[in-house]
Amino acid sequence: ETGVTQTPRHLVMGMTNKKSLKCEQHLGHNAMYWYKQSAKKPLELMFVYNFKEQTENNSVPSRFSPECPNSSHLFLHLHTLQPEDSALYLCASSQVQRGGLFNEQFFGPGTRLTVL
Amino acid sequence: KQEVTQIPAALSVPEGENLVLNCSFTDSAIYNLQWFRQDPGKGLTSLLLIQSSQREQTSGRLNASLDKSSGRSTLYIAASQPGDSATYLCAAADNYGQNFVFGPGTRLSVLP
Repeated sequence: ETGVTQTPRHLVMGMTNKKSLKCEQHLGHNAMYWYKQSAKKPLELMFVYNFKEQTENNSVPSRFSPECPNSSHLFLHLHTLQPEDSALYLCASSQVQRGGLFNEQFFGPGTRLTVL
Repeated sequence: KQEVTQIPAALSVPEGENLVLNCSFTDSAIYNLQWFRQDPGKGLTSLLLIQSSQREQTSGRLNASLDKSSGRSTLYIAASQPGDSATYLCAAADNYGQNFVFGPGTRLSVLP
């Protein structure tokens, strides 16, 4: 257990569905991340939230919509996805020091998403 | 744009061997570098974090080194065990450690 939980662990959805992934961290961190891990590709950073403010968006399509209501919770809202969006979606958290320096990242177990 | 590569892509060794995993990055202006292990279908477990000002970090049987000038990091695993079998990922962070760029990983199998 890393202190970062994700639900659901598995999700199957159609291309017209709307669903949300949830991440919660119990480490007292103030930065949270979404990553995508596709087969045969390196892990890709999608979004970064620092003190609930989105500070990074790595050219992610608008069908992925993140939400960070507080520093402990992070959501990824999904709508009109494509089959190529099928992947393992990982959430991570870290502590941001004074001066804006980020400490090591701790990852959740991931949500395995299949888009039919 | 930072690119991270890892060699070898896969490695199979008998139990008890010492081994070295390699990670290379193209932009030496990194803030830190982190090594992870990932078991099949699972999330990532942090192993070691090396700050840009450090040369190495040790945890138990693991030792990670960093040479920024040559754009390389190595992960040394001593006396390997079957439980070490996993995929090992390195990630180079820039921008104060906010943005991690991951390598493709090395899949390690330790045979009993």
